[in-house]
Amino acid sequence: DQQVKQNSPSLSVQEGRISILNCDYTNSMFDYFLWYKKYPAEGPTFLISISSIKDKNEDGRFTVFLNKSAKHLSLHIVPSQPGDSAVYFCAAFYNQGGKLIFGQGTELSVKP
Amino acid sequence: ETGVTQSPTHLIKTRGQQVTLRCSSQSGHNTVSWYQQALGQGPQFIFQYYREEENGRGNFPPRFSGLQFPNYSSELNVNALELDDSALYLCASSFGGLNEKLFFGSGTQLSVL
Repeated sequence: DQQVKQNSPSLSVQEGRISILNCDYTNSMFDYFLWYKKYPAEGPTFLISISSIKDKNEDGRFTVFLNKSAKHLSLHIVPSQPGDSAVYFCAAFYNQGGKLIFGQGTELSVKP
Repeated sequence: ETGVTQSPTHLIKTRGQQVTLRCSSQSGHNTVSWYQQALGQGPQFIFQYYREEENGRGNFPPRFSGLQFPNYSSELNVNALELDDSALYLCASSFGGLNEKLFFGSGTQLSVL
């Protein structure tokens, strides 16, 4: 039972353009949603999060949008840079469980 | 500030053997979580330790066990290794038992032959 899904395994974007990574979830009890970024041979690194009571959170070039009625969130990167090329994981957290539930990941490639 | 460190970085074992993976948490963190990441998949929660007690467990069999020490470092032990145990094992630390912001180590790549 995949509670967090990233349906696009890969995404290719031109440098300077917007990257949009999508994530769907099934459990309405999640308290937080997070995005982690992973480079090869490194562990995932926290990027940005959003509380379930908000619908938008922005941090520099990164913005996360949450649509609770659709059980959908997205990460926008503007402008995209070649250094953003990595695997991005969407994750959900609920306080009662105390664990992160990850999606399968989307590999972003930003081309110069 | 020292980040999360894991050892070893790579390990090759044969089916049926036992393995111990180690993790030192980030300075100031008292909670350690372990995740298994199979190829092409997202990390899956194995268990979490908070103040030396198991504080939550994912859908993994009892042959996956762990420990947390007074200095908050941790071990993951896997007995009777199976081929499907081949994966990247990630350790993450945080402060407090219920904290969504985890700091991950680079992982241990385990291959079971």
